[in-house]
Amino acid sequence: GAVVSQHPSRVICKSGTSVKIECRSLDFQATTMFWYRQFPKQSLMLMATSNEGSKATYEQGVEKDKFLINHASLTLSTLTVTSAHPEDSSFYICSARQDGPEKLFFGSGTQLSVL
Amino acid sequence: AQSVTQPDIHITVSEGASLELRCNYSYGATPYLFWYVQSPGQGLQLLLKYFSGDTLVQGIKGFEAEFKRSQSSFNLRKPSVHWSDAAEYFCAVGARGSTLGRLYFGRGTQLTVWP
Repeated sequence: GAVVSQHPSRVICKSGTSVKIECRSLDFQATTMFWYRQFPKQSLMLMATSNEGSKATYEQGVEKDKFLINHASLTLSTLTVTSAHPEDSSFYICSARQDGPEKLFFGSGTQLSVL
Repeated sequence: AQSVTQPDIHITVSEGASLELRCNYSYGATPYLFWYVQSPGQGLQLLLKYFSGDTLVQGIKGFEAEFKRSQSSFNLRKPSVHWSDAAEYFCAVGARGSTLGRLYFGRGTQLTVWP
């Protein structure tokens, strides 16, 4: 089946630095990808919809300047957490949509810890 | 507004016992419905989904779910639980068509299986 690769799986960084997370669709083209955030023992919250070749659409309350999303190709979307702070520590998961037939595939997630 | 309610935060069952995880949703139209399973520190694995047709949906690992429109429910069931089923289970709803992929998740149900 289709696979979505997310990298890195775990990252620890210092406060104030930026971190980039990659989401790749390995065997299909994904014009649309999605980024979610999950706090410990809580549900997944949709952050933004990443569209290939255009600007991402952010959910209400998500800071677009804080969470930069780039979808430069049909197989890659990146989420950059800029000037990370401890409150940004979370589990970030991406998903990719395969068109015709409609299918969704999730990455394995990235655990971000900001010290 | 769309929402998903999983009323049980934590369920404990004995191995071999039957299981039912509850999910109720609020949505403007008939949505797509999903059940995902997540092991600690891992991404999401799709158990099953309902798009249309037969309201009783069969999934992987012996799980099934029934869509009941009148009750706005999509409960997950398994006749005999295995110890390896211990995990976090998420119910999710999403829109049909071009916005497929923007999923709204319940808060999850943690399943513990006693040997």
